[in-house]
Amino acid sequence: AQSVSQHNHHVILSEAASLELGCNYSYGGTVNLFWYVQYPGQHLQLLLKYFSGDPLVKGIKGFEAEFIKSKFSFNLRKPSVQWSDTAEYFCAVNPRAGGNEKLTFGTGTRLTIIP
Amino acid sequence: KAGVTQTPRYLIKTRGQQVTLSCSPISGHRSVSWYQQTPGQGLQFLFEYFSETQRNKGNFPGRFSGRQFSNSRSEMNVSTLELGDSALYLCASSFRQASTDTQYFGPGTRLTVL
Repeated sequence: AQSVSQHNHHVILSEAASLELGCNYSYGGTVNLFWYVQYPGQHLQLLLKYFSGDPLVKGIKGFEAEFIKSKFSFNLRKPSVQWSDTAEYFCAVNPRAGGNEKLTFGTGTRLTIIP
Repeated sequence: KAGVTQTPRYLIKTRGQQVTLSCSPISGHRSVSWYQQTPGQGLQFLFEYFSETQRNKGNFPGRFSGRQFSNSRSEMNVSTLELGDSALYLCASSFRQASTDTQYFGPGTRLTVL
């Protein structure tokens, strides 16, 4: 079974600071990787995804993530955060084989941006 | 296109009762998955339906069940409610059951069990 670890439970940054949120997964095969964001009072929204190809993927709102296969990692980055990035961020994986398998989520990272 | 819709948005029940939650996927999406979100356990997969068939199931007791209709709408039912069933229940839909599908989430139904 796959598992996902997000080691940063709560991150507090000032506006314009750079952001990197860690995500590591455990699975013996090929996976699809996702970052979702949940803004206060809103539903889960897809930030970006990686299926194959270029390991550096760009998403919405200036976010990007890099898949490093050798480290089983898919860290989320943003060069300069804004107050509106305050939200909870979830990393998720599902196995590539077998079709639309269940998403396994990390425990989430709460990001607080101080104006 | 309208997003995934879930009804009701909020629900209060008492222990021992049963509840039915509804999910309408994005138009054209045929796969529907359900997740439970709690502060303690995070987001956990309940089950997934595709073409009215349950294809995957998570580690939840048999009190949790679901179904999918021919128009891809889905319902989940929880019988004999327990306090621990209080959670946000999320529905997600995707276009087809393919290895590169992306799941899109609805706003959820917040269930409170008293």
